[in-house]
Amino acid sequence: TQLLEQSPQFLSIQEGENLTVYCNSSSVFSSLQWYRQEPGEGPVLLVTVVTGGEVKKLKRLTFQFGDARKDSSLHITAAQPGDTGLYLCAGAGSGNTGKLIFGQGTTLQVKP
Amino acid sequence: EPEVTQTPSHQVTQMGQEVILRCVPISNHLYFYWYRQILGQKVEFLVSFYNNEISEKSEIFDDQFSVERPDGSNFTLKIRSTKLEDSAMYFCASAGTGRVETEAFFGQGTRLTVV
Repeated sequence: TQLLEQSPQFLSIQEGENLTVYCNSSSVFSSLQWYRQEPGEGPVLLVTVVTGGEVKKLKRLTFQFGDARKDSSLHITAAQPGDTGLYLCAGAGSGNTGKLIFGQGTTLQVKP
Repeated sequence: EPEVTQTPSHQVTQMGQEVILRCVPISNHLYFYWYRQILGQKVEFLVSFYNNEISEKSEIFDDQFSVERPDGSNFTLKIRSTKLEDSAMYFCASAGTGRVETEAFFGQGTRLTVV
């Protein structure tokens, strides 16, 4: 069974601080995606990483896929209150159906 | 911008009743999915649907669940006899391909409350 574990589950920081969220598995994933979910809304894709060791940047967000494609991280530089939300990692399941396996999410609160 | 739309946004039903959750995927997408999220828990895969048939389903997706694309636009999830533990947010998603790098677009969800 493919599982994804996210850490930490909750993070409360001050505006301007940096943070890293981790997504780990004992299984290899062909790709990993990071989503952001607002209350009462569906997940919205931030980025997809496909190649082991890949690093992608989205403004102040940096995403990395582990060399062995078993883990990923999301690093936010100089967090802002607008970054507050639930961050989800999701891995492409085995098979070619496009199924996603989600981590349990990290709730981030950035205080002004 | 194209989007996945789900109706209703909130459904309250009595235990044992049948419910149908509706989704309109993005028009040129070919792959369709249902996920659910019980309050405080992770988003869980239920079923994937391609070429008018189920391509994969999870253990959660038992005989009480069924999916249909009746008219080429709507994609529905039916729960035949709801149980209290079916209370959750149900998300529909669609994708243009089944490739791993393809973005899946999610609807805003239907909150199902079984009483």
